[in-house]
Amino acid sequence: KDQVFQPSTVASSEGAVVEIFCNHSVSNAYNFFWYLHFPGCAPRLLVKGSKPSQQGRYNMTYERFSSSLLILQVREADAAVYYCAVVCSNDYKLSFGAGTTVTVRA
Amino acid sequence: NAGVTQTPKFQVLKTGQSMTLQCAQDMNHNSMYWYRQDPGMGLRLIYYSASEGTTDKGEVPNGYNVSRLNKREFSLRLESAAPSQTSVYFCASSEFGGTQETQYFGPGTRLLVL
Repeated sequence: KDQVFQPSTVASSEGAVVEIFCNHSVSNAYNFFWYLHFPGCAPRLLVKGSKPSQQGRYNMTYERFSSSLLILQVREADAAVYYCAVVCSNDYKLSFGAGTTVTVRA
Repeated sequence: NAGVTQTPKFQVLKTGQSMTLQCAQDMNHNSMYWYRQDPGMGLRLIYYSASEGTTDKGEVPNGYNVSRLNKREFSLRLESAAPSQTSVYFCASSEFGGTQETQYFGPGTRLLVL
């Protein structure tokens, strides 16, 4: 079964760089998507693509079967669940990882 | 633009009861999706609709039916709810469903089946 893997939790301190690693076993998947989810709210896209990219404080690294999301200068308000997802070019369906809960100490 | 809206926000059902979760989007998107979110499982696709008039099964379709009422609306029906369907349900939409497209999510419906 095709799967997407990411750590369940990452702990950090304010001002640090948080890195969340993701890898997958989905054949014909070339694009990564990183979503941010605050419980009770709609998940929203942070960054996506098939090459390294940056959106504000969010950097995405890219390899064929893995990607990392880096959150620069992390704040307490960044504490949330971060989902990694890939899309298979055969059926265009998104496959999500189980999500990484980021905690931030003041 | 409201984006993707879902109703209700929260619902409690008894085992065997039925209900319909409503979803609407105002972005003129062609593709719409229903996911469920469970602890440790991430978001799993239940059903999707690539365009108005079409629907297809996702990863976990058993126990659910869907209706693409028109381009804006995509509903999810539980005919006979079971405790295993206790979950948070998210609706999403995208313009055409392509490999580089962003899916835009609603705020979710939290469902508890007793």
